[in-house]
Amino acid sequence: GAGVSQSPRYKVTKRGQDVALRCDPISGHVSLYWYRQALGQGPEFLTYFNYEAQQDKSGLPNDRFSAERPEGSISTLTIQRTEQRDSAMYRCASSPLTGAGTSGSEQFFGPGTRLTVL
Amino acid sequence: DAKTTQPNSMESNEEEPVHLPCNHSTISGTDYIHWYRQLPSQGPEYVIHGLTSNVNNRMASLAIAEDRKSSTLILHRATLRDAAVYYCILRDPLRDDKIIFGKGTRLHILP
Repeated sequence: GAGVSQSPRYKVTKRGQDVALRCDPISGHVSLYWYRQALGQGPEFLTYFNYEAQQDKSGLPNDRFSAERPEGSISTLTIQRTEQRDSAMYRCASSPLTGAGTSGSEQFFGPGTRLTVL
Repeated sequence: DAKTTQPNSMESNEEEPVHLPCNHSTISGTDYIHWYRQLPSQGPEYVIHGLTSNVNNRMASLAIAEDRKSSTLILHRATLRDAAVYYCILRDPLRDDKIIFGKGTRLHILP
């Protein structure tokens, strides 16, 4: 079946512009996660949702970053007033089960959106 | 959060077994040990996970020390395609369900 998809795959924007990154999880997956990955580094947790509820946003760097998942499926990560330091690969992942009562189910990652802020 | 410690890099010859170590001395009783790997230019992919007992699947084996303070990911016969960064992660789904990736071990496979 179809995996996690993200769009756009590449985004180049000018400093100060807002960007919206989209994640389409695997159908039926309950949990959705956002990560940011700088070159040569491991993925950095940003936020995650169970269904439409944002469970943890402790990894969002500042209030320019926000995420939503209004119908419990597609999610959008928005960065307002972009800065050059926001340039990175933004990755989305989904998993079929929520945490409690499980062993921490497998996360399936999308191809990522490469964001470049000029 | 409990942390893991892994070597920065390792090398192995093709078609030989590889043992990737991970130390997690502050692991709690409800932490599961997960391994993910990231191939070049791709997103991370799940490899294996366990709690106390050793685990096997089609990709690898996970050997967990009796005191759970360390574990070893075993690739039984490495191929060039196994060259990747391998991440050892502790997850406690009762506390939260996020994954905190460390720096991982970059595995180089020599032909």
